[in-house]
Amino acid sequence: NAGVTQTPKFQVLKTGQSMTLQCAQDMNHEYMSWYRQDPGMGLRLIHYSVGAGITDQGEVPNGYNVSRSTTEDFPLRLLSAAPSQTSVYFCAVRPRGWSYEQYFGPGTRLTVT
Amino acid sequence: AQKITQTQPGMFVQEKEAVTLDCTYDTSDQSYGLFWYKQPSSGEMIFLIYQGSYDEQNATEGRYSLNFQKARKSANLVISASQLGDSAMYFCAMSIFSGGYNKLIFGAGTRLAVHP
Repeated sequence: NAGVTQTPKFQVLKTGQSMTLQCAQDMNHEYMSWYRQDPGMGLRLIHYSVGAGITDQGEVPNGYNVSRSTTEDFPLRLLSAAPSQTSVYFCAVRPRGWSYEQYFGPGTRLTVT
Repeated sequence: AQKITQTQPGMFVQEKEAVTLDCTYDTSDQSYGLFWYKQPSSGEMIFLIYQGSYDEQNATEGRYSLNFQKARKSANLVISASQLGDSAMYFCAMSIFSGGYNKLIFGAGTRLAVHP
């Protein structure tokens, strides 16, 4: 969706390197989240945020950090990349409250060697 | 435990025929939502259809309909009049409210191939 952007689209890291995956939205929605998609599995929730300054862990948070200083941005940090973090990462944005709307970014394909 | 099960890793269908993709779910929550997403080879996640747990009528969106059987905990996707462009991965997902947030739990997906 045009309202959610992710950078980079592709990234190759060596084990132990750090990097930040960027997610930005222009829809002014409060809720943002990060999912990872591994082969043969559906998306799994890593971290989420219900507003600026508020984050919490999802299903698979180990190895990842997040912070949310603005409504627009929700970066995902890998402090010391591991091969097990090779995956496709999706950022998702949705409005506050109960809603079926969920807008996914185009994804970042990360390979850790 | 909250879980989505898609038992069909792969399906194929002839163009213009209908196909049903299976999805069963497990939750003890009374309020939840069920979604279907399409993921083409380009990788983006495309929202197809939504069914709320309290909705009495099955959801429909164009050629997509969701066959919701609450007692059986199933939410199958029916695609009518398949098109070649329907070839993709399809994911069933459930939205549950936990920790102040509506979280999506995904199934492993079904790869659909539409043959001419």
